[in-house]
Amino acid sequence: QSVLTQPPSVSAAPGQKVTISCSGGSCNIDKNLVSWYQQFPGTAPRLLIYDNIKRPSGIPDRFSGSKSGTSATLDITGLQTGDEADYYCGAWDSCLGLVVFGGGTKLTVL
Amino acid sequence: EVQLLESGGGLIQPGGSLRLSCTASGFTFSSHAMSWVRQAPGKGLEWVSGIRDNGYSTSYADSVKGRFTLSRDNSKNTLFLQINNLRAEDSAVYYCAKGLGVQTYNELDYWGQGTLVTVSS
Repeated sequence: QSVLTQPPSVSAAPGQKVTISCSGGSCNIDKNLVSWYQQFPGTAPRLLIYDNIKRPSGIPDRFSGSKSGTSATLDITGLQTGDEADYYCGAWDSCLGLVVFGGGTKLTVL
Repeated sequence: EVQLLESGGGLIQPGGSLRLSCTASGFTFSSHAMSWVRQAPGKGLEWVSGIRDNGYSTSYADSVKGRFTLSRDNSKNTLFLQINNLRAEDSAVYYCAKGLGVQTYNELDYWGQGTLVTVSS
């Protein structure tokens, strides 16, 4: 059972928009910065979003993050088949004193 | 180009010990926190441990506290994870990851390719 809760899977058609939610609590998302990662099978995760909303260089602006209270959201617009991957949210948990990740969301582009 | 190269994984018996290493290049190693994140086969990401830039502060997941020790040698740009009393549930790919800042454990902008640890008799 992960401290941060994500839907196990989401799907949408190419060109559409998908939203992946990440629900936490007062000790993590509410008080600390959220990051998002993309992981393709057999490869290391890649940082997509940091500081809740910022994109590292090289990440397309089709990926955007937001946060409100104890929840965060990753939006992916203009979906491409190459976006099919697992997506994870993460945050520092001030009460536990460690980093917590969501369980991951598998994105399928139909 | 930032590179993180893990080594030290392998097949180890329950109760055994292992030391993982992560050699960094392409950035000022001594100016960044570092973390280890593991992923069991078919499972999600689990943060294991983090160490701040100067090595004076570390944090651990409850599941590894007392068995894992994280350290770094900034003169050699190398991160170490000493793992003792290994259990079957420690079997995973272990990733070394670079923090964005001096004490950033949760925003990891570069990851190594991972090293596989398998605990089995």
